[in-house]
Amino acid sequence: QVQVVQSGAEVKKPGDSVKLSCKASGYTFTSYAIHWVRQAPGQTLEWMGWIHPGNGDPRYSQHFLDRVTFTEDTSANTVYMEMNRLTSEDTAVYYCARNPPGSLDLVDWGQGTLVTVSS
Amino acid sequence: QSVLTQPPSASGTPGQRVTISCSGSSYNIGSRPVNWYQQLPGTAPKLVIYTNNRRPSGVPDRFSGSKSGTSASLAITGLQSEDEADYYCAAWDDLVSGVLFGGGTKLTVL
Repeated sequence: QVQVVQSGAEVKKPGDSVKLSCKASGYTFTSYAIHWVRQAPGQTLEWMGWIHPGNGDPRYSQHFLDRVTFTEDTSANTVYMEMNRLTSEDTAVYYCARNPPGSLDLVDWGQGTLVTVSS
Repeated sequence: QSVLTQPPSASGTPGQRVTISCSGSSYNIGSRPVNWYQQLPGTAPKLVIYTNNRRPSGVPDRFSGSKSGTSASLAITGLQSEDEADYYCAAWDDLVSGVLFGGGTKLTVL
């Protein structure tokens, strides 16, 4: 059974960095890309980019290109998303989701991680 | 503001058929497959339609999708109270080279 489990909630101050984790199980980890999507309170979903474990070469949304880094630890079946220079506008639930090769269908989602940025 | 435009709300009574529209452009819907996601309150999104009109395993056949030109639609027949949720369309956009989500439609079952 496929499971995607994310790390716990974070509270940060403006200017801080945050690193979230997304651990997947129940399938061959390197066969699926992992996307990151965030949702600010009461807002729509916002795509941040993807990383394909084992292949390297992450892809970032232009909006996050200079502030976000995706990394992976294939030995732990885990991907990470690090965001720098946080502001209050980064307060959101951050989701990771996997998609099968050859598509952009986000078929399995993590439970989400709430990041609160407040002074 | 999202480039994929959805009505902010929709509603129907149990048993009715409702449709939710998603309008885009030639850079996204007009040239790329469309997915639809359902988000129940307080939960992560769930894929209910992929590649315009295909249903993942486990999604009831009451859910269907269609696409014509630069617009797509999600239809739900035999509306049930459990369908009350936010629905989002999504597609790759060649202009921004990224995935775009619609603004979301809140479906209320009266």
